Amino acid sequence: EADIYQTPRYLVIGTGKKITLECSQTMGHDKMYWYQQDPGMELHLIHYSYGVNSTEKGDLSSESTVSRIRTEHFPLTLESARPSHTSQYLCASSDVAGGNYNEQFFGPGTRLTVL
Amino acid sequence: RKEVEQDPGPFNVPEGATVAFNCTYSNSASQSFFWYRQDCRKEPKLLMSVYSSGNEDGRFTAQLNRASQYISLLIRDSKLSDSATYLCVVNPSMDSNYQLIWGAGTKLIIKP
Repeated sequence: EADIYQTPRYLVIGTGKKITLECSQTMGHDKMYWYQQDPGMELHLIHYSYGVNSTEKGDLSSESTVSRIRTEHFPLTLESARPSHTSQYLCASSDVAGGNYNEQFFGPGTRLTVL
Repeated sequence: RKEVEQDPGPFNVPEGATVAFNCTYSNSASQSFFWYRQDCRKEPKLLMSVYSSGNEDGRFTAQLNRASQYISLLIRDSKLSDSATYLCVVNPSMDSNYQLIWGAGTKLIIKP
């Protein structure tokens, strides 16, 4: 089983609130990712990190921000939540060893609903 | 055209049958390929990495056809527990720092 954790698992919040989705992994992986997935749709990469102090934006434009101060921790923050942010957010990590065949391990996801 | 395309299904298959589905990719330079499994409202989990022309793991066989730019997944002797969405994933570059491209998935329903 992968050792990657996300909190909260479910969040219902009002428009305009600031939220932080937590993601932690205990595998010592350098690479971490945030994906957004709507029901029945593909995963879209919104942020990723190669290591401490490294953050990059993904393919899908997102109003969220991330930080990577510690290897194990990769939180995602929305400064002002809107109904359009309603989705499932999946955090993942992978090792640098193995080249192109690195498996990505996923956390259980946070299901966000913005009213 | 999407970079990675899959038939969304659902594929309704009786238990014990063999089922196969394909995934096409648009970038001919793509280097590595994967099948992930995602259960309803759960996170994706790696099922198989697809090496060179293909590989086999128990009841599951993945094949790669570079000329036609598709990968396939074959499931033999299907079980009820195989019901899930199968995600095709492509790394479009030799650079391991390049990001994966995810298909939207093929939904498989195994019926008793």
